[in-house]
Amino acid sequence: AQTVTQSQPEMSVQEAETVTLSCTYDTSESNYYLFWYKQPPSRQMILVIRQEAYKQQNATENRFSVNFQKAAKSFSLKISDSQLGDTAMYFCAFTWMDSSYKLIFGSGTRLLVRP
Amino acid sequence: DAGVTQSPTHLIKTRGQHVTLRCSPISGHKSVSWYQQVLGQGPQFIFQYYEKEERGRGNFPDRFSARQFPNYSSELNVNALLLGDSALYLCASSLEGGRYTGELFFGEGSRLTVL
Repeated sequence: AQTVTQSQPEMSVQEAETVTLSCTYDTSESNYYLFWYKQPPSRQMILVIRQEAYKQQNATENRFSVNFQKAAKSFSLKISDSQLGDTAMYFCAFTWMDSSYKLIFGSGTRLLVRP
Repeated sequence: DAGVTQSPTHLIKTRGQHVTLRCSPISGHKSVSWYQQVLGQGPQFIFQYYEKEERGRGNFPDRFSARQFPNYSSELNVNALLLGDSALYLCASSLEGGRYTGELFFGEGSRLTVL
């Protein structure tokens, strides 16, 4: 069975600094997608960044970047120049490339950005 | 354009009752997925519907059922409610429903409390 593990229940960072959220996953598949989703207090889940497993290059989206280590099954999210609006729950998620839209989510990391 | 809309936003039921949750996908999206998010955990996949057909089902009991209508909106029904069904129920829509090709867009959810 596929699993996604986020070992940091809570993290805190000073505004304008950099923070890294960790995620590991377990799968026997070779083709899959990995995601980081953000869930602010308003509850709507928003896609932050997506990584295709067949791509060696790490995905980046403005201040957000990932460190994808396929062999280690690790997928961490780096947030640079943290902003107060980054305060939210962050979920790591996985889906198979040939599946429907069934996402497997981790338990989440609560990030607090301090002013 | 309106995003994914869900109703009701909050509701309280008692054990043994039945509940119906509704979801309208983004205009043009043909697939709807349902997720259950228990407090402090990541979302868990319940169902996916595409073109009114069930495309995927998570590990939930038969008390959970869903359907998709010709206008692509969807209902999630839960019978014989248990205290453990208390959760945020998230609906997500996507353009397609087969092989993952694009983003999954989430609604703000329906918060169900079972007393």
